[in-house]
Amino acid sequence: KNQVEQSPQSLIILEGKNCTLQCNYTVSPFSNLRWYKQDTGRGPVSLTIMTFSENTKSNGRYTATLDADTKQSSLHITASQLSDSASYICVVSRGSGGSNYKLTFGKGTLLTVNP
Amino acid sequence: NAGVTQTPKFQVLKTGQSMTLQCAQDMNHNSMYWYRQDPGMGLRLIYYSASEGTTDKGEVPNGYNVSRLNKREFSLRLESAAPSQTSVYFCASSPQGNTQYFGPGTRLTVL
Repeated sequence: KNQVEQSPQSLIILEGKNCTLQCNYTVSPFSNLRWYKQDTGRGPVSLTIMTFSENTKSNGRYTATLDADTKQSSLHITASQLSDSASYICVVSRGSGGSNYKLTFGKGTLLTVNP
Repeated sequence: NAGVTQTPKFQVLKTGQSMTLQCAQDMNHNSMYWYRQDPGMGLRLIYYSASEGTTDKGEVPNGYNVSRLNKREFSLRLESAAPSQTSVYFCASSPQGNTQYFGPGTRLTVL
């Protein structure tokens, strides 16, 4: 069964600290992995997208890693800011061509950054 | 550019009522999608439209219909609303196979 599991479910950190969110998947065949940020009451916004051959990708203070052998990904947030408070969703695409019709979404990790 | 817009933002229905959720995008994307998001669950695909004039079922299509009115607009219709359809509905669009852009969502409650 195609599944995406994220941990932890929720996380509270202090402003300025770093944190790492985890994503494990059993989706097959793998095409690409995406991380989205979803602010409360809004739609998800794409942070990164990685294919099988990429093992790290950065977007500002966000760095995603991918280990396709162990089927694990992480999202590292550096020097957190209050605006980083959001749900972070891991999404895996299966099949050839990275089809958007075959996406499996994780339930998300709710991050709270406190002053 | 407004990106992806959805109307209404909030809606309360009684069981058995019908309604249409509207979605429009101004990015000239070929593909459009409807998702629902429920507490404790990941986003689930209801229907999608790969291009103007085509629509296909996603993971949870029962109880819904869609219309791809033109390249910009993709509507979702609930013919006879049920409490199980209480959810937040997101519309998204993308160039073929690429990153999706999501709208702000419609929060629907069915009593």
